[in-house]
Amino acid sequence: QKEVEQNSGPLSVPEGAIASLNCTYSDRVSQSFFWYRQYSGKSPELIMSIYSNGDKEDGRFTAQLNKASQYVSLLIRDSQPSDSATYLCAVKGPSLGNEKLTFGTGTRLTIIP
Amino acid sequence: GAGVSQSPSNKVTEKGKDVELRCDPISGHTALYWYRQSLGQGLEFLIYFQGNSAPDKSGLPSDRFSAERTGGSVSTLTIQRTQQEDSAVYLCASSLVAGVADTQYFGPGTRLTVL
Repeated sequence: QKEVEQNSGPLSVPEGAIASLNCTYSDRVSQSFFWYRQYSGKSPELIMSIYSNGDKEDGRFTAQLNKASQYVSLLIRDSQPSDSATYLCAVKGPSLGNEKLTFGTGTRLTIIP
Repeated sequence: GAGVSQSPSNKVTEKGKDVELRCDPISGHTALYWYRQSLGQGLEFLIYFQGNSAPDKSGLPSDRFSAERTGGSVSTLTIQRTQQEDSAVYLCASSLVAGVADTQYFGPGTRLTVL
């Protein structure tokens, strides 16, 4: 089992709709969770971080964390063509190394105008 | 302010040659990380430095890979006797400190192609 798993996609969503990206992790004691966006040919940029169970909202983005289910998700409301990118889920925790990020392979999102 | 910078942006080399990749972290950041992104492999951790502590080298794939960080700032990743499987984008990141809650900011990467 991979430490961090994501559906590779591609995920296609109509413009204006909600895009839902999911991530599961294997280490139950993981503590920090990050969503990065990566445009083709560019480096990852941080979208959201979340540390506690529940929802965290920032503009059109909402991160959701459920530690009991070992599941973290990212919702993008009112999707725009500029949201088309690969979204990387990353995790930190004592077993994986508190300092280094362990990444999923990413979900490619396409927003259809 | 200035972000993480890396050089060169692209490097093409022949199998068996040595290469050096450079990273300049965000000013004031004490932690510096190297990752590698290969097609179909995702981002994988290589090594990180925190202040003057011994680096965590647990992700280096072989002894052909080494890294140093001079003066707590600029870092150089060296790959000796390059192989074709070393072809990847090498990404550097920095954070204020190396901690479980700290955010890592990535540089633009160096695309390495080994012929």
